[in-house]
Amino acid sequence: QKEVEQDPGPLSVPEGAIVSLNCTYSNSAFQYFMWYRQYSRKGPELLMYTYSSGNKEDGRFTAQVDKSSKYISLFIRDSQPSDSATYLCAMYKAAGNKLTFGGGTRVLVKP
Amino acid sequence: NAGVTQTPKFQVLKTGQSMTLQCAQDMNHNSMYWYRQDPGMGLRLIYYSASEGTTDKGEVPNGYNVSRLNKREFSLRLESAAPSQTSVYFCASSEVGTGYEQYFGPGTRLTVT
Repeated sequence: QKEVEQDPGPLSVPEGAIVSLNCTYSNSAFQYFMWYRQYSRKGPELLMYTYSSGNKEDGRFTAQVDKSSKYISLFIRDSQPSDSATYLCAMYKAAGNKLTFGGGTRVLVKP
Repeated sequence: NAGVTQTPKFQVLKTGQSMTLQCAQDMNHNSMYWYRQDPGMGLRLIYYSASEGTTDKGEVPNGYNVSRLNKREFSLRLESAAPSQTSVYFCASSEVGTGYEQYFGPGTRLTVT
C-alpha cells in the first residue's frame, strides 16, 4: 500500500466551477502537507503548504488538513482554463527532511 | 535569478550506455534532491544531499550514483542505462529544515532503448 493515495483523474470541470481534490495518507508522522501544481512538460511548483491540521486560504485556493482522518483537500474556486494542470499532494516529516508524493490528479477546466 | 536549471532537456540512450544529468541552483540552498517521475507513480526520490559533502539514498537508488560537486551543483549518473530507467528526472532544492518547500527544475526526459 502506498503511503499517499491520490485519485489520478482526469477531473473535468466547466470554467467557474469549484475544483475539489483530495489525498489520503497512512503515516501519522507527517507534519506538513503540500500541494504542488505541474503544467504539462514542466517541473512541479509549490502552491501552498499547511502545518498540522486546519485550513489555509490563498486567493482562490483553500487547503484543508484533517489529521484525525488522515485526509487532505485542495479547493480551487472560480476555476480558470489556466488552472488546467496536474495537482500533486505531498507530505513531509522533519525526520529525514524528505517529501512523499501522491501520484497526482490531472485537472481540465473547460472554457 | 534562474532558480533550478537542468541539462540536458532531452536524451535518448541505448541500453548499457552511461550519462550524467546536471543540476544547478542559484538560491544558495543547502539541500538538493533527484527524483524520477513515471506515469501514475508520482515523484519518487532517488538520492538527496542534505548539505555540501553529504549524500543519501532515497526510495529508488539502484542503478544511479550522485555527486554533490559544490553547494550549487548536484549531478546524477547512470552508469549502465536500462529501459526501466526511461523516465522524467527532476532536480530540486530547499533550505535545510524546510524540505517541505522544494523548488524544482524543468526536468530531463530520458528514453533508454
